[in-house]
Amino acid sequence: AQKITQTQPGMFVQEKEAVTLDCTYDTSDPSYGLFWYKQPSSGEMIFLIYQGSYDQQNATEGRYSLNFQKARKSANLVISASQLGDSAMYFCAMRGVHGSSNTGKLIFGQGTTLQVKP
Amino acid sequence: GAVVSQHPSWVICKSGTSVKIECRSLDFQATTMFWYRQFPKQSLMLMATSNEGSKATYEQGVEKDKFLINHASLTLSTLTVTSAHPEDSSFYICSARDARGGENIQYFGAGTRLSVL
Repeated sequence: AQKITQTQPGMFVQEKEAVTLDCTYDTSDPSYGLFWYKQPSSGEMIFLIYQGSYDQQNATEGRYSLNFQKARKSANLVISASQLGDSAMYFCAMRGVHGSSNTGKLIFGQGTTLQVKP
Repeated sequence: GAVVSQHPSWVICKSGTSVKIECRSLDFQATTMFWYRQFPKQSLMLMATSNEGSKATYEQGVEKDKFLINHASLTLSTLTVTSAHPEDSSFYICSARDARGGENIQYFGAGTRLSVL
């Protein structure tokens, strides 16, 4: 069975510093996708970054980068130069590409609440 | 990124009434949309997968007759909470899968906060 684990319920970071949000996963699928979403207090889920399991390079999108370590089954999100607007809940998610029960649905972790201090 | 619109954003209704929530992909076609429910400070719980032109696939424990899903076009899926009761009060959020580019990223609507009195 697929599983996503986020072990940090809450994190603090000083404005302008970098922060790493942890995510580990478990799957038997040979091909899969990993995602990070941001959920501010307003509730909307904002797509941040995607990493395919066969991608050779770590994904980057502006201040976001994904530290993908396949052998360790981890997909940590790194936010550089934190801003006050980064305060939100962050979810790691995984989608299996193959599998008899696969419909493309995402499996979400429990989330990490990030607070950026001024 | 792609845009998904969800309406209404807030709804308050009396117990026993039905509420319809719409989810639209504005700039792409989505053969597959998803409906989630989220309780405060918790993760998203997938309720069902909505497939254009066919019946929705519900997750275990989700009542099909309670949460009616219709995906009549490639850009619209609706969730109807029938005979709503206070325990149905929650945050409901939809997503649409963008199959362009091969990454199949799910883009989310802004969510609907349902309060049943």
